[in-house]
Parts: sequence; structure tokens; C-alpha cells
Amino acid sequence: QQQVKQSPQSLIVQKGGIPIINCAYENTAFDYFPWYQQFPGKGPALLIAIRPDVSEKKEGRFTISFNKSAKQFSLHIMDSQPGDSATYFCAASSYSGAGSYQLTFGKGTKLSVIP
Amino acid sequence: DTEVTQTPKHLVMGMTNKKSLKCEQHMGHRAMYWYKQKAKKPPELMFVYSYEKLSINESVPSRFSPECPNSSLLNLHLHALQPEDSALYLCASSWDSTNEKLFFGSGTQLSVL
Repeated sequence: QQQVKQSPQSLIVQKGGIPIINCAYENTAFDYFPWYQQFPGKGPALLIAIRPDVSEKKEGRFTISFNKSAKQFSLHIMDSQPGDSATYFCAASSYSGAGSYQLTFGKGTKLSVIP
Repeated sequence: DTEVTQTPKHLVMGMTNKKSLKCEQHMGHRAMYWYKQKAKKPPELMFVYSYEKLSINESVPSRFSPECPNSSLLNLHLHALQPEDSALYLCASSWDSTNEKLFFGSGTQLSVL
């Protein structure tokens, strides 16, 4: 129930395309949903995050769409560029008791944007 | 300064060696984390320190020993590691332990021979 299922595992799009990465969860206690971007040889970097009380959040070219009833959320990258080529992880956080919080990552999507 | 600095960037050690990984942040964050990441996998949480006290230990073998000397520093002491412990070890920090807005370092790539 703590799983976050991410798809696809890999994605290739042309420059200017709109890659979409999807995540699904079962645990309704999750209340914070971040997306992290990781380049080779670097640590993950927070890209954008959403809470379940909103259905969409946009920051620059990155948009999260959130469907609370379906327990799904997705990342859209508008006007994708070769510099967006990276691995993207969705994640979900919930309170696990005794002042502790659990962050569960999806398995990641390797995005390649070709010129 | 919005960086989490990890040293060394690369480390090769034998199974009988003792080594330490270091992590530093100057953002005033009160929570610091150690994650382990295998190639093509997501990060796996190892330890969480909140206000310099160990708050989460995700059943990590005792050959990994964390230490938080002060609110800006986090160490991971390694002893008698196994080849399967080879991985990227990531340090992260956040304002508090709610997992919101984690800042990750670039990691230490560890190889155990």
C-alpha cells in the first residue's frame, strides 16, 4: 500500500514535444507529492510539488496534474529541450507516526529529448 | 547558500577498511538524511536526523554508523562493508523532517572491493 507506481520506465521525445510521466498510488494518507529530477552524477533536485487539495500546479514549463479520486498524478513538460534529458522520480509523503514522515519514491523514468 | 556539500565524491575501499563520508549544509535546515541509491533505482532512505537526534533508522546494518556532530554536519562511518554496499550515497537536508523540499548533495560514489 506504500508503493508509488511510475510509468513509463523510459521515454524518448523530440525537442518541443510534451513528455508525460504518470504515477499512481494506493495509500490515501499520502498528502504531499513531489517530483525530483536527477542528472547523471548528481543528486535528485526538487522540481515541483503538489498537495491533494489542488488539481493542477504549474511552474515554468513543468505542470503537475493531480486526480485525487483516481489516485493518480502526472508530470507534463512543455516545449521539452535536450537539457531536460534526465531521470525523473515521482514521490509521495505521509505521516508515519511519532513525529516521522515517510517519503516513497517511484522507480523513475529516464527521459531523452532528441534535437 | 543552497548547497549540500558531500565529500569525498568518489571512494574505493576494501572490505576491512574504515572510512567516513561527510556532509555539510549551511541553510539552517534542522533535518538531515542519508540515502543509498543503486544504479537505475530510486534513492532508499537509511537514516534521518531531526534536531541533531537520530529519528529514523531504516533497519540499516550496523556496518553503517551515522553521526550528527552539529546541526550543519552529518557523517556516515563505514566499517567492514560488503561489495553489495557499492552505491551512490546521498545526503539531503530539509527545513524540518516532513520530507518537504529536500535538498540533495551530489553524493559519494562508493565502490567496495
